[in-house]
Amino acid sequence: AQSVTQPDIHITVSEGASLELRCNYSYGATPYLFWYVQSPGQGLQLLLKYFSGDTLVQGIKGFEAEFKRSQSSFNLRKPSVHWSDAAEYFCAVGPGGYQKVTFGTGTKLQVIP
Amino acid sequence: DGGITQSPKYLFRKEGQNVTLSCEQNLNHDAMYWYRQDPGQGLRLIYYSQIVNDFQKGDIAEGYSVSREKKESFPLTVTSAQKNPTAFYLCASSIPGGGRDTQYFGPGTRLTVL
Repeated sequence: AQSVTQPDIHITVSEGASLELRCNYSYGATPYLFWYVQSPGQGLQLLLKYFSGDTLVQGIKGFEAEFKRSQSSFNLRKPSVHWSDAAEYFCAVGPGGYQKVTFGTGTKLQVIP
Repeated sequence: DGGITQSPKYLFRKEGQNVTLSCEQNLNHDAMYWYRQDPGQGLRLIYYSQIVNDFQKGDIAEGYSVSREKKESFPLTVTSAQKNPTAFYLCASSIPGGGRDTQYFGPGTRLTVL
């Protein structure tokens, strides 16, 4: 069965500092991987996704993620965090197509001045 | 503009009542999904539908029902059999193939049982 682990429930970073959010997955084949962001009381917005090819994926809002098969990881990074990045971030994994996508429990990001 | 709409944004229900949450999309997506979100638990799949007039149970379907009579619409009914219905409900849709296997989400409905 597929699963996703986001080991950090809550992270606090200073504005302008770099950010890395961790995501580890369990899946038998090459997975489809996603990162979503959610502002309080809102739906989820797709930041980026990986299906195949280049293991470093660029997304919106200056985010990127790297797929590392050997570590079963898909960590999200941003070189310089802005106060508007404060939100909850979800990693997800799935087989593609109409099949079920499994979401992690989320990491809440707080940005301090 | 294409997108997914959910209504209402806030919904209050008395215990023992059924309520229906609306989800409409004009993205021409084949598949639609309902998730429940509780603090610290991420998103859990309730039901999903790949085509009109067909749907499958997700991980937590007990106490919920759905219908898919039109491609654009996938309403969710929270029945009185759902023991703890207070949560944030998210609807999503997707179209597969060619790297487009991505779910797009609506703004959500917050259901509170009084």
